[in-house]
Parts: sequence; C-alpha cells; structure tokens
Amino acid sequence: EAGVAQSPRYKIIEKRQSVAFWCNPISGHATLYWYQQILGQGPKLLIQFQNNGVVDDSQLPKDRFSAERLKGVDSTLKIQPAKLEDSAVYLCASSPRQGGYGYTFGSGTRLTVV
Amino acid sequence: SQQGEEDPQALSIQEGENATMNCSYKTSINNLQWYRQNSGRGLVHLILIRSNEREKHSGRLRVTLDTSKKSSSLLITASRAADTASYFCAPTHTGGFKTIFGAGTRLFVKA
Repeated sequence: EAGVAQSPRYKIIEKRQSVAFWCNPISGHATLYWYQQILGQGPKLLIQFQNNGVVDDSQLPKDRFSAERLKGVDSTLKIQPAKLEDSAVYLCASSPRQGGYGYTFGSGTRLTVV
Repeated sequence: SQQGEEDPQALSIQEGENATMNCSYKTSINNLQWYRQNSGRGLVHLILIRSNEREKHSGRLRVTLDTSKKSSSLLITASRAADTASYFCAPTHTGGFKTIFGAGTRLFVKA
C-alpha cells in the first residue's frame, strides 16, 4: 500500500511570500488532515476534511492560510503571506474514516521563513 | 484542554530497561492512540486503544487505559537504541472526533 505523499520536502521562502504544499493521501481514505508541527512541540491540527468537505478548521489562521481538497482526493495547503512564525513542519495525514482510527502520516514539508 | 499531556517530558534509560510514558487528558474520548516520531521523520502509528478497552499489547508495547482517571500509559519493554524517539499520545474526543496531540515524551535509549 502506497503511503501518504507530500511535496515538496523542504521549502525556504522570505517573509511575505506565498507557498503551497501538496498532499496525496492513501487511496480510499476519506479523511484528510493537515497538522503544523513547530520544533519541539506536538503536531497541531490545522484542518480536517471528510471527503471534500471541511469538518474542522477552527485552528486554521484563515487570514493567511487556506486549504482545499478537490474531488475528495489530493489536497493543497497555502500560506499567503508567510510570517517568520510559520516556520514549521507541515504534516498531512489520512485515515479511512473519522474517529481517530489510526492515521497514516506523510513525511512532511519543512518550511523555513527567513 | 482537549489535548493529551505526556509525562515525563524526557526520559533517558539504558538499553534493555523498560520505559514507561504516561498521558492524561480531560474530556471523554472514543479512543486513544500512541505515535512515535524519529528525528526529522513523520509520525508512525503504534497502537490504538478504544475507550471500552483497558489494556492492549503489540510486540514489546503495552498500553493501558483508565477512563475513570482519564489517563493512559505506554510501556516499552526491553528497550533498544532504535526506540530513541519522541512518543505522542493522541486522544480522540467524543462528539467532534478531534484528535489532539500532546507535546510528547522524548525517549533516549543509551546503548
């Protein structure tokens, strides 16, 4: 079974620039999550999709972050404009259904904002 | 807070010893999961225990859950240097199905 694919692996941008991350979940997984993990902390949930609908985006800074999941498969997370404090690893995860049933995480995108 | 809170924050042991990590949470849960994260890598799912279960085993891992105390523990027996990683508990709360990660326990196993 192929895992969760994320790209790019690394990205360095200047503050106020924009950046986009891509995630391809495991085939057939209805639920997709984006987490932000700042160095030394646990992953923080940004947004949760069920198929192509948003289930929870209460922690997403909507003035600068946006996410979509077209056709209930791939997803993109965008930051515009980026701030220094956005430097983190952005992790995508998927699971067959809601309810916390064993997420599979991708390797993440490490973003550095300078 | 809905997140799990792990204790201790860091743990250093010798190879062959057992490692115990604890997790506490504050609201009702559907299940609770434990994940491992090696330095610079993604999180790997270790084990899931449902709210109606009290204990679960997987290889050298043993997880317990006490819903009356809102706590869980992860025991790694006969630890190896390769077990060096951060371990996170992630309770999934009833109602919203939110899974919130704690700050983790950093385990260092000395060879």
